Amino acid sequence: DGGITQSPKYLFRKEGQNVTLSCEQNLNHDAMYWYRQDPGQGLRLIYYSQIVNDFQKGDIAEGYSVSREKKESFPLTVTSAQKNPTAFYLCASSLVSAGQGGEKLFFGSGTQLSVL
Amino acid sequence: AQTVTQSQPEMSVQEAETVTLSCTYDTSESNYYLFWYKQPPSRQMILVIRQEAYKQQNATENRFSVNFQKAAKSFSLKISDSQLGDTAMYFCAFMTPRGNQFYFGTGTSLTVIP
Repeated sequence: DGGITQSPKYLFRKEGQNVTLSCEQNLNHDAMYWYRQDPGQGLRLIYYSQIVNDFQKGDIAEGYSVSREKKESFPLTVTSAQKNPTAFYLCASSLVSAGQGGEKLFFGSGTQLSVL
Repeated sequence: AQTVTQSQPEMSVQEAETVTLSCTYDTSESNYYLFWYKQPPSRQMILVIRQEAYKQQNATENRFSVNFQKAAKSFSLKISDSQLGDTAMYFCAFMTPRGNQFYFGTGTSLTVIP
């Protein structure tokens, strides 16, 4: 079945540690996104990528980094510079061209990151 | 800048009754798409319904329908014959093909009461 796989489901970070959240899709989608969800604040865009080896900052990119070496994969690293990393992280993907189904976002099941 | 506003943080409805969730948005774009996503306690985001801005006809999906008022930049979701499984957080979202970016509201937590 096609879909988006996020791992791990739960992740704990120690002070000063970088952690990486995995996101893999087999939908052959061009665009991939990372959102952060905090209670009462909806979904906020961290980074997005519309093509391999290219990505753009979203509204809250500080303290995060990404890579897009393969079309299927878009890992997110939460660095030690992110002082308040506790949140639910959602990965999503879509086709790029609107009007051809590209306007639909497909989501993974999320990763809950907590600070120890 | 594009913004999406959901002014009802929490709502409740009796089972089998009808409820309407409100959403307004702001954009200078003429071509865009609007969505309602549902996030149940499992936290999996599920697309409920979508609307193309250039279509005047309101979208419907079984018990879910929208009232799209383009001039007022309003996009409300009506849930008919509410079921216990409708209990979830509902997010209104907006997408512009230019930039292929999606913008989300802060959500409305809906509880269906048996």
